[in-house]
Amino acid sequence: EAGVAQSPRYKIIEKRQSVAFWCNPISGHATLYWYQQILGQGPKLLIQFQNNGVVDDSQLPKDRFSAERLKGVDSTLKIQPAKLEDSAVYLCASSVLGEQFFGPGTRLTVL
Amino acid sequence: QKEVEQNSGPLSVPEGAIASLNCTYSDRGSQSFFWYRQYSGKSPELIMFIYSNGDKEDGRFTAQLNKASQYVSLLIRDSQPSDSATYLCASKGDDKIIFGKGTRLHILP
Repeated sequence: EAGVAQSPRYKIIEKRQSVAFWCNPISGHATLYWYQQILGQGPKLLIQFQNNGVVDDSQLPKDRFSAERLKGVDSTLKIQPAKLEDSAVYLCASSVLGEQFFGPGTRLTVL
Repeated sequence: QKEVEQNSGPLSVPEGAIASLNCTYSDRGSQSFFWYRQYSGKSPELIMFIYSNGDKEDGRFTAQLNKASQYVSLLIRDSQPSDSATYLCASKGDDKIIFGKGTRLHILP
């Protein structure tokens, strides 16, 4: 069974630039999560999708972050414009029956 | 604010000994609890989950849940150097999953 795929694995941008991350969940997993993990901290949920609907986006900074999952499968997370404090690993996870499986993450560095 | 609290560590344990990791949660509505292991530079991987009060054993790992005290723990028996990692506790309630900041565990050879 293929795992959660994410790309790119690494991204370096300058502040005020835009960036997008892509996630392909495990086949059949209806629930998809995007997390932000800052070094030394636990993952912080940004947004949770159930199929193509948003379940929770209460911690998503909506003035600069957006996410979509148009067909209920792949998802993209966008940051526009990026700030220095957005430097983190962005993890995508998918789940069935509450058990989450994480992708390898995208390490974002904002200079 | 619903929270999951963990001691950040590092927790140093001699090889072969029992490592005990603890976690408290604030949301009494939480229904299930998860322990993830995260190696440096890697993504979290699920070790165990527990729903009911009491103990749940899986190989060298035992998860313990006490809902009255809002307390979850993970015991690792016969600790190995490969167990050195950060251990994340997470609680789930109303479809929302909240992670703690993790405890760094260091197994001393």
